Amino acid sequence: EAGVAQSPRYKIIEKRQSVAFWCNPISGHATLYWYQQILGQGPKLLIQFQNNGVVDDSQLPKDRFSAERLKGVDSTLKIQPAKLEDSAVYLCASSLEKSRQFFGPGTRLTVL
Amino acid sequence: SQQGEEDPQALSIQEGENATMNCSYKTSINNLQWYRQNSGRGLVHLILIRSNEREKHSGRLRVTLDTSKKSSSLLITASRAADTASYFCATDSTSGTYKYIFGTGTRLKVLA
Repeated sequence: EAGVAQSPRYKIIEKRQSVAFWCNPISGHATLYWYQQILGQGPKLLIQFQNNGVVDDSQLPKDRFSAERLKGVDSTLKIQPAKLEDSAVYLCASSLEKSRQFFGPGTRLTVL
Repeated sequence: SQQGEEDPQALSIQEGENATMNCSYKTSINNLQWYRQNSGRGLVHLILIRSNEREKHSGRLRVTLDTSKKSSSLLITASRAADTASYFCATDSTSGTYKYIFGTGTRLKVLA
């Protein structure tokens, strides 16, 4: 079974630039999550999709972050414009309902 | 805000010893999960325990849940150097969205 795929693995940008991350969940997983993990902390949920609908985006900084899930499968997370404090690992996860989450390897973002 | 909080923040033990990590949370849950994260990688699911369960085993892992104290513990027996990682608990809420909130993590170091 293929796992959750994410790209790119690493990204370095300057503040005020834009960046986009891509996630391909495990086939058949209806629920998709984006997390932000700052160094030394636990993952913080940014947005949760059920199929292509948003279930929870209460902690997504909507003035600069946006996310979409195309046809209920792949998802992209965008930051525009980036700030220094956005430096973190961005993790994508997917799951069947009421079950364990499968995580991708993450994208490490450095904002200079 | 963090729902779960792990204790201790860091733990260093000798190979062969047991490691115990604790997680406390604030609100009622449906279930609690434990995850492991090796440095620079995504999270790996270890075990899920439901609110009506008190104890669960998986190989060298033993998890307990005390809903009256809103706490859980993860015991790793006969630790190995390969167990060196960060360990996180994740709790959902009873709101029905299957949204999980991760704790701050325990960084375990097993010395060979």
